[in-house]
Amino acid sequence: DTGVSQNPRHKITKRGQNVTFRCDPISEHNRLYWYRQTLGQGPEFLTYFQNEAQLEKSRLLSDRFSAERPKGSFSTLEIQRTEQGDSAMYLCASTVAGIQETQYFGPGTRLLVL
Amino acid sequence: GIQVEQSPPDLILQEGANSTLRCNFSDSVNNLQWFHQNPWGQLINLFYIPSGTKQNGRLSATTVATERYSLLYISSSQTTDSGVYFCAVRNSGAGSYQLTFGKGTKLSVIP
Repeated sequence: DTGVSQNPRHKITKRGQNVTFRCDPISEHNRLYWYRQTLGQGPEFLTYFQNEAQLEKSRLLSDRFSAERPKGSFSTLEIQRTEQGDSAMYLCASTVAGIQETQYFGPGTRLLVL
Repeated sequence: GIQVEQSPPDLILQEGANSTLRCNFSDSVNNLQWFHQNPWGQLINLFYIPSGTKQNGRLSATTVATERYSLLYISSSQTTDSGVYFCAVRNSGAGSYQLTFGKGTKLSVIP
């Protein structure tokens, strides 16, 4: 069990550019979540997958955001035409669907949009 | 949606002191977790505790679901306990699997 990994750990981009983040969940986990955290706040839910199906999306997830989880393994989160307000920590978590669902978080990708 | 309030927002402790952190939530929950976010941003699970009491070393937690609150106890605090403690809940009536986080309690333990 190597834990949840995320890449890159840091990303600096210019406004208007596209960025893509990757999350590799714990291998046997079938649920994968994306959250966004801004300074001084708790993480906010963006979307989640069960296997390869995206089952829920937050209203925070504008049309510029898209997430995929092909083959139900790793997931990618893409932000198109980045804005300064997208600057945040993007967190990924995974869990096994069931009665007790403890979510395990990755180290996050810190995005700065200049 | 469900509201989660944590108190106090900030706490400064002398090493060796005990503390109690509180989490109030506005609706019924079927999932409640406590996390510790270290200074590098990593969120670490402390407890899965939608009801009842659990203990793990110097930490313990109690959730009284009927009264919609949870408490996290830290005894004999150490400098490594510093960071932000988050409570996160899942609303059992919402048909959603998302966790809703509070704003956290920032704990600073000084030697």
